[in-house]
Amino acid sequence: DTGVSQNPRHKITKRGQNVTFRCDPISEHNRLYWYRQTLGQGPEFLTYFQNEAQLEKSRLLSDRFSAERPKGSFSTLEIQRTEQGDSAMYLCASSLFYPLLQGYEQYFGPGTRLTVT
Amino acid sequence: AQKVTQAQTEISVVEKEDVTLDCVYETRDTTYYLFWYKQPPSGELVFLIRRNSFDEQNEISGRYSWNFQKSTSSFNFTITASQVVDSAVYFCALSEPETGANSKLTFGKGITLSVRP
Repeated sequence: DTGVSQNPRHKITKRGQNVTFRCDPISEHNRLYWYRQTLGQGPEFLTYFQNEAQLEKSRLLSDRFSAERPKGSFSTLEIQRTEQGDSAMYLCASSLFYPLLQGYEQYFGPGTRLTVT
Repeated sequence: AQKVTQAQTEISVVEKEDVTLDCVYETRDTTYYLFWYKQPPSGELVFLIRRNSFDEQNEISGRYSWNFQKSTSSFNFTITASQVVDSAVYFCALSEPETGANSKLTFGKGITLSVRP
């Protein structure tokens, strides 16, 4: 039984570079979420997918951010032209959703810590 | 708009003491879900409990118990006989209602609990 995995675990990049993170959800989960967590704060929602459809994006997700889940399995989050303010922990979570069923909890991966120098 | 307030930022107790972590939430919706997550030093968020807005029964799981009171919009978490392994950051979270399922989570800022031997 594998949980949510994320790669890489750590990424150091220079300002202006592009970075891409990967998330592999729990295999039977059809929903996948991205959050960002800065030091001393709770995670903040960025976007989520149901299968391959991106259903919602936060205002936090600027034009430099793009997320995909092409086959409804793994997802990638890309940040273009990184800025120092992008330094944070990027968390991925997955959950199971079926209409008319009660809420299911989200299971989180270990996160990718991004440092922009 | 949804909001979760965790007024306590840091709590320090001696092992075997009981400790209560407070959570107050705001939402205009009548149907919602509340969660508690634990984030140990390793960084991965660990799901602890989910509570539906229409289920006000308190819950006990081992040394953990949760007190949900809609009248005061609170969902407090008590650890009985705390242990050093309980040292972590604890987050309370709220999800928007959706037909029968959870969606994005709104987190509080978290409470850092330190349990001293």
